[in-house]
Amino acid sequence: AQSVTQLGSHVSVSEGALVLLRCNYSSSVPPYLFWYVQYPNQGLQLLLKYTSAATLVKGINGFEAEFKKSETSFHLTKPSAHMSDAAEYFCASSYSGSARQLTFGSGTQLTVLP
Amino acid sequence: GAGVSQSPSNKVTEKGKDVELRCDPISGHTALYWYRQRLGQGLEFLIYFQGNSAPDKSGLPSDRFSAERTGESVSTLTIQRTQQEDSAVYLCASSLNAGGEQFFGPGTRLTVL
Repeated sequence: AQSVTQLGSHVSVSEGALVLLRCNYSSSVPPYLFWYVQYPNQGLQLLLKYTSAATLVKGINGFEAEFKKSETSFHLTKPSAHMSDAAEYFCASSYSGSARQLTFGSGTQLTVLP
Repeated sequence: GAGVSQSPSNKVTEKGKDVELRCDPISGHTALYWYRQRLGQGLEFLIYFQGNSAPDKSGLPSDRFSAERTGESVSTLTIQRTQQEDSAVYLCASSLNAGGEQFFGPGTRLTVL
């Protein structure tokens, strides 16, 4: 069975500082991994995804994530936080199977301080 | 439409009543998913439809939950005899095909009093 763990339900950073949101996965087979962002009262939006190609994945809005098999991690980073980055972020995984339903972590609420 | 739409956006009901939630996927998307998001938690997979194949119902929490989809269009999620623990945001997503990027709707916030 798959599981996804996000360390830190709340993260605060200052505007312009590095953003680091942590995600670890547990899977018996190589997973597909995703980061989604959810703004208030909106649906989830895909930031980036790892599908066994390059281990460093670049997404929208300046975010990137690195797949590290040895650490079973897929942490999300952004060099310089912007006020508009304040949102909830979800890490998710799926099997490389046919159904591809997503298993989500519990989410990390990012606050950006002026 | 341009994106996945869901209705109603909010639903307040009394314990024991039945509710029906609707999802309109992106036109042409063959795969459709329902998820539940409880307060402070991640999304839980409920059910998956792919074309005319039998749906994957492995995530439905009890037999009070059911869902239907007409062809490759609208889907309805029905919860019978609602309980307070059913209070959550119910999210629908669709993808062009199985394994494709999932596009999410804004969700229906269900409150069971």
